Amino acid sequence: QQQVKQSPQSLIVQKGGISIINCAYENTAFDYFPWYQQFPGKGPALLIAIRPDVSEKKEGRFTISFNKSAKQFSLHIMDSQPGDSATYFCAASITSGTYKYIFGTGTRLKVLA
Amino acid sequence: DAGITQSPRYKITETGRQVTLMCHQTWSHSYMFWYRQDLGHGLRLIYYSAAADITDKGEVPDGYVVSRSKTENFPLTLESATRSQTSVYFCATRLAGSSSYEQYFGPGTRLTVT
Repeated sequence: QQQVKQSPQSLIVQKGGISIINCAYENTAFDYFPWYQQFPGKGPALLIAIRPDVSEKKEGRFTISFNKSAKQFSLHIMDSQPGDSATYFCAASITSGTYKYIFGTGTRLKVLA
Repeated sequence: DAGITQSPRYKITETGRQVTLMCHQTWSHSYMFWYRQDLGHGLRLIYYSAAADITDKGEVPDGYVVSRSKTENFPLTLESATRSQTSVYFCATRLAGSSSYEQYFGPGTRLTVT
């Protein structure tokens, strides 16, 4: 029940295309869903996050869509650029608890120029 | 502003040896975390700490020991390294009371156990 399932494992997109990464969770107590971006040789960094009281959050080219009833959330990268090539992790957390994250297994995105 | 530093950045050790990975932060964040990153498993929490002298287990604590005598330091010790502990280790921090819930990650330590 503590798992966060992420797909696909890898993704190749043409420059200018839309990248979509999906995550699903079981524990309905989760109430904070961040996405982290990691470049090779670096630590992950927060990209965008959402709380379950909204169905969508947009920051520039990055959008999180959240479906509470389906217990799913996804990251959409519009107009994907080669500089977006990185590994993306979704995560889930219970904010009233110990602030631990449960991470998905990651998606390696490659955007072709 | 150094933020989070991890040392060493790379380490090769032999099976059975004790290894300590260091994490230091300059922000005085209350929460500190240790994760390991393995292909196909993502990031898994090893141990975390809510404050100095307060630590607790995460998902995969076996074979690891932590301590936190000072707010800024959170060392991770592998008491007797095994090949299965070959991984990239990340330290992270979080500011208590922050409404953003963001965790800040260090640059990582790549550990190879031969």
